[in-house]
Amino acid sequence: DAGVTQSPTHLIKTRGQHVTLRCSPISGHKSVSWYQQVLGQGPQFIFQYYEKEERGRGNFPDRFSARQFPNYSSELNVNALLLGDSALYLCASSLDGTPFNEQFFGPGTRLTVL
Amino acid sequence: RKEVEQDPGPFNVPEGATVAFNCTYSNSASQSFFWYRQDCRKEPKLLMSVYSSGNEDGRFTAQLNRASQYISLLIRDSKLSDSATYLCVVGSQYSSASKIIFGSGTRLSIRP
Repeated sequence: DAGVTQSPTHLIKTRGQHVTLRCSPISGHKSVSWYQQVLGQGPQFIFQYYEKEERGRGNFPDRFSARQFPNYSSELNVNALLLGDSALYLCASSLDGTPFNEQFFGPGTRLTVL
Repeated sequence: RKEVEQDPGPFNVPEGATVAFNCTYSNSASQSFFWYRQDCRKEPKLLMSVYSSGNEDGRFTAQLNRASQYISLLIRDSKLSDSATYLCVVGSQYSSASKIIFGSGTRLSIRP
C-alpha cells in the first residue's frame, strides 16, 4: 500500500511569490494535517482537514490557506512568500482526524525562499 | 511558556546504556500522548503511544504522569540505530476540533 505522498519534493521560490504544495493521504484515511518544520524545531501545526472541512488551524498568518478535495487529497497554499517561510512542509494523514490515532507523515516538501 | 517542552539535548551515550527523556506539557486537559522518532532529513514516525498505566515495547518504556503533567521515554540497552531525534506529542480535542502539539525534540546520539 502506498504511504502518504507529497509533491514536489523540493521547491525554490523568491520572496513575494506564491506556492502550492500537494498531499495524497493513505487510502482510507479521511483526515489530512499540514505542518511546518524549521531546522532544529519540531513540526508546527498549520491546518487540519477532515471530510473536506477545516477542523483545526494553527497560529499562522492568513497568507497560509489549504483545502481538501473529495478524494481526500489536499493542497497547502502560501501567498506572498517571505524568507522565513523556508522550511520542510509535512503532510500527515490519519483515519478520523481525532488526536487519538497515529498520524502517518509524508516525506515532506522542502521549500527554499530566496 | 511553550505548550510542550523537551530538553533539546544532545544526549550522547555509549551503546548499551540506558537513557531517559522527559517532556512537560502545559494543558491539563490534554488527552493523548505519543513519542515519535525522526531520523535526520526524514519524516517523523510513531514510536509509541503513552497511556496512563504506562506501556512497554521491547527496550522502550513510556510513562505518563498527569498530576505533574509530564511524559517520559526510557530506552534500555541502547543501540547505534537508536540515534535520532525523539519528539514528544500531546493532543487534545475541543468539540470537533483537534489540536496536536509537537515538542522541539530531543536529539540522541549513541556512540560505539
